[in-house]
Amino acid sequence: NSKVIQTPRYLVKGQGQKAKMRCIPEKGHPVVFWYQQNKNNEFKFLINFQNQEVLQQIDMTEKRFSAECPSNSPCSLEIQSSEAGDSALYLCASSLRTGWDTQYFGPGTRLLVL
Amino acid sequence: GDSVTQTEGLVTLTEGLPVMLNCTYQTIYSNPFLFWYVQHLNESPRLLLKSFTDNKRTEHQGFHATLHKSSSSFHLQKSSAQLSDSALYYCALSEVNNRIFFGDGTQLVVKP
Repeated sequence: NSKVIQTPRYLVKGQGQKAKMRCIPEKGHPVVFWYQQNKNNEFKFLINFQNQEVLQQIDMTEKRFSAECPSNSPCSLEIQSSEAGDSALYLCASSLRTGWDTQYFGPGTRLLVL
Repeated sequence: GDSVTQTEGLVTLTEGLPVMLNCTYQTIYSNPFLFWYVQHLNESPRLLLKSFTDNKRTEHQGFHATLHKSSSSFHLQKSSAQLSDSALYYCALSEVNNRIFFGDGTQLVVKP
């Protein structure tokens, strides 16, 4: 069973507001991924970290999102100025390494932008 | 770039019938890792099975899949569907030190 913790479970914001969510990866997992799962259940990779360093991120994330994984603190993903299209389930996953290792997913933060 | 294709968005079948969910992939790398993740309603995805060995059958919880590099496929199969198998199934691809690419998912609905 996954021990990835995500908070909050639900988040409601107005357009233009900041939306911040947090993730505590499984103990001992240095690799953290963020995904956006839309209403059509499509997965979109957003960004991943190895320890505190960004490994990869998509263009959208670079422009409108800020994310970090500081040492000894939860990882976070923040949308700087929320848009209606950002309404989705944001899933955090962690693993021992990228590539072969299983990703363990948290329960997600469901964001609704009004 | 890497990509995963799941041709069926929705598969509906009767309990007891065999299950086959299609997955094909594209990658420039010769040694991809292929995964199947399952997501039940209101739950987060979890790994069902994975493989990187060509032509070797991998099994877990009654499901099985074989990676065929010659056809770039990793289809998921089960001999007899159960009601509890109703869920979203994602095929995914990765290379070592790379992120995972997920397909668009196949919704499996098993009816009595």
